[in-house]
Amino acid sequence: DAGVIQSPRHEVTEMGQEVTLRCKPISGHDYLFWYRQTMMRGLELLIYFNNNVPIDDSGMPEDRFSAKMPNASFSTLKIQPSEPRDSAVYFCASSLADRPYNEQFFGPGTRLTVL
Amino acid sequence: SQKIEQNSEALNIQEGKTATLTCNYTNYSPAYLQWYRQDPGRGPVFLLLIRENEKEKRKERLKVTFDTTLKQSLFHITASQPADSATYLCALPVWMFSGGYNKLIFGAGTRLAVHP
Repeated sequence: DAGVIQSPRHEVTEMGQEVTLRCKPISGHDYLFWYRQTMMRGLELLIYFNNNVPIDDSGMPEDRFSAKMPNASFSTLKIQPSEPRDSAVYFCASSLADRPYNEQFFGPGTRLTVL
Repeated sequence: SQKIEQNSEALNIQEGKTATLTCNYTNYSPAYLQWYRQDPGRGPVFLLLIRENEKEKRKERLKVTFDTTLKQSLFHITASQPADSATYLCALPVWMFSGGYNKLIFGAGTRLAVHP
């Protein structure tokens, strides 16, 4: 398996524009997570899907952020409109289950810069 | 709420020495604790898992301890090498009673630099 795939790897956009980040989890993994990482706040969980259904979206900063998982092999995180404070590295991760001993497999991340 | 603390200062050590990183937590009692490694420009990669009833876990040059009384885990790399330079994050699963699921909470990580 290729691991978790994310695209794009880098995104530079201007304030107010819509940004869409994409993720393909590892085949057979029923759990998908979107994280945001910044120097100030570390790695924060934004949203968590189980079998394509959002289980916990309490980490989504505000209504400008939305996430979907239309099928088991694809998820998107959208920011509309984007703001400079959204600049961060966004990671997608997947896991086989959500037992406390299950490891998470992370993608390479998307570095987002909002000017 | 749950809080995880890792040393925010970078740890600089000489090649061949043992590196020791600390993870402290408060306000809950996890049954497991995970350690991840993150290299610049990459996502975290799982290294080791330790259970609350395991005092120590080893994997090659890595050793993790878990003291549930002190609410602390120590992560050791023996005979360190420059290739061990990275950021190391601890992560604890938290049971969300409201939704009936586990959520993994990550510490901020400690950057380790091993100098030749």
